[in-house]
Amino acid sequence: QKEVEQNSGPLSVPEGAIASLNCTYSDRGSQSFFWYRQYSGKSPELIMFIYSNGDKEDGRFTAQLNKASQYVSLLIRDSQPSDSATYLCALGGNKLIFGAGTRLAVHP
Amino acid sequence: DAGVTQSPTHLIKTRGQQVTLRCSPKSGHDTVSWYQQALGQGPQFIFQYYEEEERQRGNFPDRFSGHQFPNYSSELNVNALLLGDSALYLCASSLGGTNGYTFGSGTRLTVV
Repeated sequence: QKEVEQNSGPLSVPEGAIASLNCTYSDRGSQSFFWYRQYSGKSPELIMFIYSNGDKEDGRFTAQLNKASQYVSLLIRDSQPSDSATYLCALGGNKLIFGAGTRLAVHP
Repeated sequence: DAGVTQSPTHLIKTRGQQVTLRCSPKSGHDTVSWYQQALGQGPQFIFQYYEEEERQRGNFPDRFSGHQFPNYSSELNVNALLLGDSALYLCASSLGGTNGYTFGSGTRLTVV
């Protein structure tokens, strides 16, 4: 049974700081990893995906993958109050396997 | 270019009743997956439809069934509703069941 673990939070950071969200997974064979953002009462929206070890940057977001350690993270630079949401980590493949999500709160 | 559309947006049902939720995939997508998201949890995979057949199924009882139509749209049916079926039901479409999933806005089901 593939599992995805995330700290439920809330992770509270001040505006302008770097938010670091972490995720571990159990299946060493997993090849693709996704970060979704979900505002309260809304559906998940894709922020980034990563397939290869190392870093992948897109604007203020950086995804980091370490397959040896079975660890994937999402860094949000210059955090804004509008980034306050739940961030879901998911393993890809024929279906998405989600973690329970980490709630991020960015305070002014 | 329309994204994934789901209907209805909200629904209230009584225990023991049956419900049908509908999903139209994003244009160009041929695969539809359904997820259940309970409050405070991540989405849980229910099943996936491709070429009008159920291709994969998650750990959900037979009360949960589905269908895919020739135009790739899909329905999720839940029989004998339980209070625990109250959740946000999400539809996600993709091309060939690959990683490019697009989610609909969901249907909020409340069972009373």
